Amino acid sequence: EVQVVESGGDLVQPGGSLRLSCVASGFTVSGTYMSWVRQTPGKGLEWVSVIYNTGDGSPYYADSVKGRFTISRDNSKNAVYLQMNSLRTEDTAVYYCAACVAVTGGYFDYWGQGALLTVSS
Amino acid sequence: IQMTQSPSSVSASVGDRVTITCRASQGISGWLAWYQQKQGKAPKLLIYAASSLQSGVPSRFSGSGSGTDFTLTISSLQPEDFATYYCQQANSFPYTFGQGTKLEIK
Repeated sequence: EVQVVESGGDLVQPGGSLRLSCVASGFTVSGTYMSWVRQTPGKGLEWVSVIYNTGDGSPYYADSVKGRFTISRDNSKNAVYLQMNSLRTEDTAVYYCAACVAVTGGYFDYWGQGALLTVSS
Repeated sequence: IQMTQSPSSVSASVGDRVTITCRASQGISGWLAWYQQKQGKAPKLLIYAASSLQSGVPSRFSGSGSGTDFTLTISSLQPEDFATYYCQQANSFPYTFGQGTKLEIK
């Protein structure tokens, strides 16, 4: 069964750091696009970052997180991570890990349940 | 690329036909997806590549469009369809979502 499970959400002070984890089962993270998408409470969806399965797997980031967030992949653990530094109150959101498994081209057909990050003093 | 959905909310009855529109600020060919999200749940992929129905999604959902203008149509609303719908462009990074359309029961 294909599954994506996030973990690591927490309450963090402004300026702090946190790492979210996303463990996949039923497919290999090295074989597909893996992304993080966030949703501010009561608001819409914002794409955050992607790591590719092709070439050198160069990541891409939303302008709002560029230079502060880093996406990475551990093929041995079949996991993807989001390292978040210099956190701001506006980073408060539910963070979803999303994968393009059976559908190619940047369309996310599998999502995790979400991990809540709260940035507050 | 900015994605603009309309309307922001719509009230409809079971059995109604509903159309939601998504407009891209520049051409994205057919690189568009539609998602359904219910309260407290992750989004669910309904349509990809503008008009391809995701496996397991009922055929009452359909998508059309190309370039800058796209539509999602639900041919006959069912009780389980009341949710929020988002479009997403996959033409270029950064990927972007529309602001959402909340479909409510009339």
